[in-house]
Amino acid sequence: LAKTTQPISMDSYEGQEVNITCSHNNIATNDYITWYQQFPSQGPRFIIQGYKTKVTNEVASLFIPADRKSSTLSLPRVSLSDTAVYYCLVRNAGNNRKLIWGLGTSLAVNP
Amino acid sequence: AAGVIQSPRHLIKEKRETATLKCYPIPRHDTVYWYQQGPGQDPQFLISFYEKMQSDKGSIPDRFSAQQFSDYHSELNMSSLELGDSALYFCASSSLTLNTEAFFGQGTRLTVV
Repeated sequence: LAKTTQPISMDSYEGQEVNITCSHNNIATNDYITWYQQFPSQGPRFIIQGYKTKVTNEVASLFIPADRKSSTLSLPRVSLSDTAVYYCLVRNAGNNRKLIWGLGTSLAVNP
Repeated sequence: AAGVIQSPRHLIKEKRETATLKCYPIPRHDTVYWYQQGPGQDPQFLISFYEKMQSDKGSIPDRFSAQQFSDYHSELNMSSLELGDSALYFCASSSLTLNTEAFFGQGTRLTVV
């Protein structure tokens, strides 16, 4: 399973766009990139998942370059309620038996 | 939509006692995972089951055991509890067949005193 690396923490202000980049140099051909959000004392919540290029949903966008060795989660116009820890994971489609969690990014959104 | 249900939500036990945590996965999901998350730490993978068979094992202590039953619910049994076992325990489920992401329950907060 590919190891991921992401910034430990980020600060932002309400209304700004936040981009969190994750490195996954050893990603395999049938790996998917998945992002989760976690609030204190709550279970991780799925945000978005992608394989290549760009994926967008009502919450975020995920940008994946052609070599797939990194990905960027983009949160448009963040609010105070987006303050949370964001985890990037690489999920193997053919063997979805465990997820290895790296150090997430603690995002603080300030007024 | 149905989500992953965990019970109990909170549990307080004394040292050396036993605890049983339950997880009810999303219907038709074939994989269940258990994670432990200590204060300020990232989730640590404990064990997973695919179609009721143990599929992967992580950093699960020998004092812990888990199983998945015929109705697909899973239980994590923890014996000889130690203070260090105090943590949030999450269960997640996914469908390998449908290639879904993992959906997490709200967790059980175990406090060992």
